[in-house]
Amino acid sequence: DAGVIQSPRHEVTEMGQEVTLRCKPISGHDYLFWYRQTMMRGLELLIYFNNNVPIDDSGMPEDRFSAKMPNASFSTLKIQPSEPRDSAVYFCASSLDRVHEQYFGPGTRLTVT
Amino acid sequence: GEDVEQSLFLSVREGDSSVINCTYTDSSSTYLYWYKQEPGAGLQLLTYIFSNMDMKQDQRLTVLLNKKDKHLSLRIADTQTGDSAIYFCAEKSGGSYIPTFGRGTSLIVHP
Repeated sequence: DAGVIQSPRHEVTEMGQEVTLRCKPISGHDYLFWYRQTMMRGLELLIYFNNNVPIDDSGMPEDRFSAKMPNASFSTLKIQPSEPRDSAVYFCASSLDRVHEQYFGPGTRLTVT
Repeated sequence: GEDVEQSLFLSVREGDSSVINCTYTDSSSTYLYWYKQEPGAGLQLLTYIFSNMDMKQDQRLTVLLNKKDKHLSLRIADTQTGDSAIYFCAEKSGGSYIPTFGRGTSLIVHP
């Protein structure tokens, strides 16, 4: 398996624009997680899905953030409108089940100017 | 809520042993993990230990768990420049779907 795939790897956008980050989990994994990493706050869990259903989105910072998982092999994290404080590295991770470890994607580095 | 604490930086000389420490607060932690993050990459699982174990060794890596003190450590023997990375400690209780991560320890290996 190719591992967790994320695109794009880098995104630079202007404040106010919509940003869509994409993730393909490892095939057969039932759980998908979206994280945000910054120097100030470390690694933060934004939302996670089980079998394509959002389970806990309490980490989503505000209504500008939304996430979907239309099928078992694809998820998106959308920010609309984007703000400079959203600049961070966004990771997607998947796990086989609640017991097994998470596998992380390479991340998307988002810069909002 | 649960908390995982790590020191932010550790500097060692190449060839020496590195010891990265972690403390956690959740007494029901069942799984404890060490992840490694190299520059520009995602987190990669290095090793893990179950809470009913005291020690786990895997080549140059030794994990020690003191459950009474809620202290976890990762020892890297014969540290190499390629070991320079950020190391994350994480814990998860049996009833939780998700691990709690520490802030990460930046390991700097110098010649």
